[in-house]
Amino acid sequence: KAGVTQTPRYLIKTRGQQVTLSCSPISGHRSVSWYQQTPGQGLQFLFEYFSETQRNKGNFPGRFSGRQFSNSRSEMNVSTLELGDSALYLCASSLVPTDYGYTFGSGTRLTVV
Amino acid sequence: QKEVEQNSGPLSVPEGAIASLNCTYSDRVSQSFFWYRQYSGKSPELIMSIYSNGDKEDGRFTAQLNKASQYVSLLIRDSQPSDSATYLCAVNANSGNTPLVFGKGTRLSVIA
Repeated sequence: KAGVTQTPRYLIKTRGQQVTLSCSPISGHRSVSWYQQTPGQGLQFLFEYFSETQRNKGNFPGRFSGRQFSNSRSEMNVSTLELGDSALYLCASSLVPTDYGYTFGSGTRLTVV
Repeated sequence: QKEVEQNSGPLSVPEGAIASLNCTYSDRVSQSFFWYRQYSGKSPELIMSIYSNGDKEDGRFTAQLNKASQYVSLLIRDSQPSDSATYLCAVNANSGNTPLVFGKGTRLSVIA
C-alpha cells in the first residue's frame, strides 16, 4: 500500500514569500500531524488534524497555518517566510489520534534565502 | 514545557556489542513511549513502543521503561553497522489529547 506522500520534496523560497506544503496520508488513515525538524531543535510539533479538525497546535507563530480536507489530505502554509523557517517539514500519518505509531512521509526540505 | 532529554552522542560501539540508548522525560503523567530510528537523509520510522514498566523485547531490540525514575531506554543487541542512525525517543503525556513530544535524538555509530 502507498505510504505517506509529501510534496514537493524540495523548495527554495525568498524571505517574505509564502509556501504551501501538501501531505497525503496512508489510505484509511484519518489523523495527520506536522513536525518541523532542524538540527538545533530536533522535531518540533506544529499541528495535528483529525476529521478536518485541528486538535492540537504547537508553539509556532500565526504565520504557520494548516488544514485538512475531507479525503484526509492535509496542507500547511507558511506566510512571510523568514530565514529561520528553513527546515525539514515532516508529515506523520496514523489511523486515529490515539495511534502514535506514526508513519512519516519523506518530508519537504524548505530553504529560505 | 514537557521535555524529553537524550544524549546527542555520537555513541560509538563495536560491531556485535550491545548499544544502550537512554531517554528521560519531565512529565510524570506520561503514558506512552516510543523509539524511532532515523537514517541520515531519511524520515523517522517507528521501531519500538512501550506502555508499562519493565522490558519489552522485539528481535535484537529491547525497550525498558521505569516510570518512577521517568526513564526509558533502548538496548540493541549484536549491533550491526546498519544500525548506525539517529534514535529518537518520543513520549505522549495524555493519550489522545496531546501530541507526541520527541527528544533531539542520539546518534549511534556501529564500527565494523
